Amino acid sequence: GENVEQHPSTLSVQEGDSAVIKCTYSDSASNYFPWYKQELGKGPQLIIDIRSNVGEKKDQRIAVTLNKTAKHFSLHITETQPEDSAVYFCAARNSGGYQKVTFGTGTKLQVIP
Amino acid sequence: GAVVSQHPSWVICKSGTSVKIECRSLDFQATTMFWYRQFPKQSLMLMATSNEGSKATYEQGVEKDKFLINHASLTLSTLTVTSAHPEDSSFYICSADGGRGSTDTQYFGPGTRLTVL
Repeated sequence: GENVEQHPSTLSVQEGDSAVIKCTYSDSASNYFPWYKQELGKGPQLIIDIRSNVGEKKDQRIAVTLNKTAKHFSLHITETQPEDSAVYFCAARNSGGYQKVTFGTGTKLQVIP
Repeated sequence: GAVVSQHPSWVICKSGTSVKIECRSLDFQATTMFWYRQFPKQSLMLMATSNEGSKATYEQGVEKDKFLINHASLTLSTLTVTSAHPEDSSFYICSADGGRGSTDTQYFGPGTRLTVL
């Protein structure tokens, strides 16, 4: 089955700096890669996603890059703000057949004011 | 759009009782719903996948007789924790596929905190 690894497990940045979280996956059949933000005591919130036919996607301060050959994808947050502090999860999914989502282990991001 | 609700948001019950958690897709029809369990500072663990009108598919190690899932309609799935014990205390989260016309995208509910005394 699919295995998703996520690094780092914790990340502290100064407000205004950029944050990068990296994930690798094992199943070459995976073709959909969402990123979720989870605040304490709440459910995960989809913040951006990318499909395998695209190498990069950007939404304001958030961007995701995908390298299918190397099987890795990354989340980039620029101009970080204190409200970006949360746990971020990457995930991988094969949209064909059984649509199970495999999650990474999470990254706790702390933005220091 | 693509809002998923859960009820209740938290529940405390006595050991041996059963607890039902509801998951609803409010503004879209969900082809598939998922139930996850999350322990503190850990990732989400998939418990089961349910499709409307059919039996749920449980992940390995999840007791189907303990965690009963009913997907009665395209907008409602329920998880019943039967004969709950303290070790069942956890954060239960549901998610649903199919929002915004995309079956790839999975939207999560706000979660239910279950505490078994």
